[in-house]
Amino acid sequence: GAVVSQHPSWVICKSGTSVKIECRSLDFQATTMFWYRQFPKQSLMLMATSNEGSKATYEQGVEKDKFLINHASLTLSTLTVTSAHPEDSSFYICSAREVITEAFFGQGTRLTVV
Amino acid sequence: RKEVEQDPGPFNVPEGATVAFNCTYSNSASQSFFWYRQDCRKEPKLLMSVYSSGNEDGRFTAQLNRASQYISLLIRDSKLSDSATYLCVVNGGSYIPTFGRGTSLIVHP
Repeated sequence: GAVVSQHPSWVICKSGTSVKIECRSLDFQATTMFWYRQFPKQSLMLMATSNEGSKATYEQGVEKDKFLINHASLTLSTLTVTSAHPEDSSFYICSAREVITEAFFGQGTRLTVV
Repeated sequence: RKEVEQDPGPFNVPEGATVAFNCTYSNSASQSFFWYRQDCRKEPKLLMSVYSSGNEDGRFTAQLNRASQYISLLIRDSKLSDSATYLCVVNGGSYIPTFGRGTSLIVHP
């Protein structure tokens, strides 16, 4: 399958700082990228959908000013968690697809805010 | 009603057993369906797509029932390595992948 690279794999940051997570499609052009968050023993919850060159569409309850998404090219999307707090600690996963088919996932980023 | 529902389990089965999971979805306009496998603290990985006519890949069989709005996954001759969480994914009318909560499978010796 197609390859999606996400990094960092894990990050520990201090409360109040910002963290940037990158998601790259390595061998295809990702017209659409999805960002999910997964808390322990829960399902992946969609945070936002981004199309290359457009503003991201955020799901209800997700603060767009806190979770900044940039999808500036067909191979790269970034999620920046601004002013992180301990409750933002979670597993963040990006997903990318080229057309309307199955999406491919990055490795995930485990964020711990202390 | 949630968009995609799965029994979280866990399903605890011996090696060699046959086990089946169901997943129901609420959006009748859903276009495509998938089963993903997720190991602990890892990203989900595509197990198989689910086609209207049903499809089989080795020990795994996936089926779609549009009338009743559910998909199923059957695993035959379970292996210890099949232990994982199986996620049902439904692409809705806008083709945004929506995940079920996942069904936990534990295969024991």
